[in-house]
Amino acid sequence: DVKVTQSSRYLVKRTGEKVFLECVQDMDHENMFWYRQDPGLGLRLIYFSYDVKMKEKGDIPEGYSVSREKKERFSLILESASTNQTSMYLCASSSTADTQYFGPGTRLTVL
Amino acid sequence: QQQVKQSPQSLIVQKGGISIINCAYENTAFDYFPWYQQFPGKGPALLIAIRPDVSEKKEGRFTISFNKSAKQFSLHIMDSQPGDSATYFCAASTAGTASKLTFGTGTRLQVTL
Repeated sequence: DVKVTQSSRYLVKRTGEKVFLECVQDMDHENMFWYRQDPGLGLRLIYFSYDVKMKEKGDIPEGYSVSREKKERFSLILESASTNQTSMYLCASSSTADTQYFGPGTRLTVL
Repeated sequence: QQQVKQSPQSLIVQKGGISIINCAYENTAFDYFPWYQQFPGKGPALLIAIRPDVSEKKEGRFTISFNKSAKQFSLHIMDSQPGDSATYFCAASTAGTASKLTFGTGTRLQVTL
């Protein structure tokens, strides 16, 4: 079974803090994705990566950055957290085929 | 700009009934249309998917109907069960985009006894 794990299920941070969300997949997938999920807005793509050290902006990259130093690991970084970044963050991975496999999500609250 | 529009936002269906969720898209380059199912506390998981070379795909109680000319596709859940209660997302992607998906806004389905 494909497994995508995220470092935390729940996270509470203060405004202005630097936040790291980690994602690890065990299926040697080339592609990895970060989404945020908000009620009524669905899943919105923040960044994705199709290879180590490669990254591309998604639909809402502002306020975020990413890092992919190893194939299995994709990190989402909030340089200076703000309250409007309170959300559920979902990581996913896929091979060259189309199916994306999602992690359980990290619910981030920024106070 | 919402490239994939999904309706309804929420749906209540009695056990044994048919649940229908609709999606419409704008980008004619889309060529892969999956549906994802998400239970509370879990990440979404692929339920069923279709490519535009067919008008319908059925897997058990779940069917995707696809209308290329209208740029619409829908999910039908026959004999809906309480265990089907979840949030459903339609999505679309184009070939050669590293499986980058554009998701709809989701439909929260509740199947009552």
